[in-house]
Amino acid sequence: NAGVTQTPKFQVLKTGQSMTLQCAQDMNHEYMSWYRQDPGMGLRLIHYSVGAGITDQGEVPNGYNVSRSTTEDFPLRLLSAAPSQTSVYFCASSRRGEETQYFGPGTRLLVL
Amino acid sequence: GNSVTQMEGPVTLSEEAFLTINCTYTATGYPSLFWYVQYPGEGLQLLLKATKADDKGSNKGFEATYRKETTSFHLEKGSVQVSDSAVYFCALKVTQGGSEKLVFGKGTKLTVNP
Repeated sequence: NAGVTQTPKFQVLKTGQSMTLQCAQDMNHEYMSWYRQDPGMGLRLIHYSVGAGITDQGEVPNGYNVSRSTTEDFPLRLLSAAPSQTSVYFCASSRRGEETQYFGPGTRLLVL
Repeated sequence: GNSVTQMEGPVTLSEEAFLTINCTYTATGYPSLFWYVQYPGEGLQLLLKATKADDKGSNKGFEATYRKETTSFHLEKGSVQVSDSAVYFCALKVTQGGSEKLVFGKGTKLTVNP
């Protein structure tokens, strides 16, 4: 199993540009989540999904969209990037009823 | 609400020193508690967990005990190694409205010098 994969590893955007951060898992996990990690802030939940076709907002959802058309994929979309979205983004997945979340390696995003 | 407070870093120790990283939590109900570790340039990995009061989680020489009376889950290791240098996150999991969410502390950076 590849586990949780994320692409790209690093991206530079200009303010106002759009992009999609990709996340995929091959463990057939129901739950998937997106977090952002900022210095001194820990990890904050952006959006999450409890299964295909079901998504919900986390702690800091503004400026981000998600969809979950398949169990495997959970892309995060930035429609109009802002410097405040400069961060490291982590995708995670878990199986319903199990305690452990599995994290991807992260995407480092710089918005100029 | 649900929140996690952990000691601020950075923490710098010499090899073989004793490590304690404090973590306290606020939660409704009875959450599961976790320590995750993030090595440089990597994503988070589960280090240990405890699902009910008085449970002790342990892994790689690290231990933490779920203390309901003090709402704490302090991480300890008797003798740290250079390879333990990482950022450590305390977290709790709550189930709300049929969904499960992890709430993280801000992280504590540990540096172990030879």
